[in-house]
Amino acid sequence: AAGVIQSPRHLIKEKRETATLKCYPIPRHDTVYWYQQGPGQDPQFLISFYEKMQSDKGSIPDRFSAQQFSDYHSELNMSSLELGDSALYFCASSLDQGALGQYFGPGTRLTVT
Amino acid sequence: EDKVVQSPLSLVVHEGDTVTLNCSYEVTNFRSLLWYKQEKKAPTFLFMLTSSGIEKKSGRLSSILDKKELFSILNITATQTGDSAIYLCAVEGLQGGSEKLVFGKGTKLTVNP
Repeated sequence: AAGVIQSPRHLIKEKRETATLKCYPIPRHDTVYWYQQGPGQDPQFLISFYEKMQSDKGSIPDRFSAQQFSDYHSELNMSSLELGDSALYFCASSLDQGALGQYFGPGTRLTVT
Repeated sequence: EDKVVQSPLSLVVHEGDTVTLNCSYEVTNFRSLLWYKQEKKAPTFLFMLTSSGIEKKSGRLSSILDKKELFSILNITATQTGDSAIYLCAVEGLQGGSEKLVFGKGTKLTVNP
């Protein structure tokens, strides 16, 4: 069965650069969530989209922005990268705003040097 | 292909019941298995298991790992309505020199009064 696809899987950037992470939800899923997980930490909720509109906002820095496109894929744009942005970024998708749970993607590991 | 399979997908019990959630896995270069509880937003960490046969306990929750049979169970005794959540199992592996974390689809637990 198709799962959540994230790209790239690994990304290395320098400080002050920008990065774009992509997430392709499970087909027919209408809700996408972004999480940031630092080493030894719980995933932190960043932002979510339902039917291409932002549905909830968590601890997403102002330097980050995200959107969901007409095909339901989502992109997380990160600018002015800082060393502390190095983390695993998970995308999850769900149907109907998570009534039946979220399906997590494999994550993108971002390293900022 | 790495995978984590959780069962059951959904479970409805009454307060006071004991439940057992299952997680089986196949992952390259296993490092650890983690259990999370997800209520509304981000998953919160419950346990990390790395060694077979050693039970970890936290209050009414306990978990154990069997690395030979490639599975783990999460037990919750004397369930309460506050235990209602999605319980996620994730397995950490090492591939190509970098860590990867693979999530299962979760078990949705509903505890009725």
